[in-house]
Amino acid sequence: GAGVSQSPSNKVTEKGKDVELRCDPISGHTALYWYRQSLGQGLEFLIYFQGNSAPDKSGLPSDRFSAERTGGSVSTLTIQRTQQEDSAVYLCASSLGGALLEAFFGQGTRLTVV
Amino acid sequence: AQSVTQPDIHITVSEGASLELRCNYSYGATPYLFWYVQSPGQGLQLLLKYFSGDTLVQGIKGFEAEFKRSQSSFNLRKPSVHWSDAAEYFCAVGARSGNTPLVFGKGTRLSVIA
Repeated sequence: GAGVSQSPSNKVTEKGKDVELRCDPISGHTALYWYRQSLGQGLEFLIYFQGNSAPDKSGLPSDRFSAERTGGSVSTLTIQRTQQEDSAVYLCASSLGGALLEAFFGQGTRLTVV
Repeated sequence: AQSVTQPDIHITVSEGASLELRCNYSYGATPYLFWYVQSPGQGLQLLLKYFSGDTLVQGIKGFEAEFKRSQSSFNLRKPSVHWSDAAEYFCAVGARSGNTPLVFGKGTRLSVIA
């Protein structure tokens, strides 16, 4: 596609429910990143994919968070048993990978846990 | 590991005045450096980047930034600010080893007054 697409744009969920956030990167981009942006905070790195593999999962805040990427394209970030502190904007970015680090960002998914 | 510090949380400037947003990084070698802008409700847009060569880089929307190795800085400048420049600005650093995620600062919020 023309840009990185994320869905849904907004999600309100009840505490304890599971949510899935979707990211559709720019076609041909091999690298895909998930970041979390909380109010007043910078971008917190969550996980990075190169192709379908995730060489760096170091940013996932707990085992309630997981992500997968299939076909080297679409990625899904899953948060199980959501907590109020999970409320944030979840941003996805993609890049050509390798030494070309210019990352293109989607509009984000605003998650609110009530 | 690399890190980024943006010392100013919030800056207010008058329309037409000059602007400088500070960014300091920590990295053991010459990094890749980026400035992104996030307008309200929008994703992040790349303003400019430094990979190598000329330490003064030009970006979109009339912005420029200068890489100063001796000061570990990559400050963003604009000679004359427009009201539409009001946004959140993020500095980011990437490792030259490639395939590692960008590390972002916490951002500087720019307000523009008449």
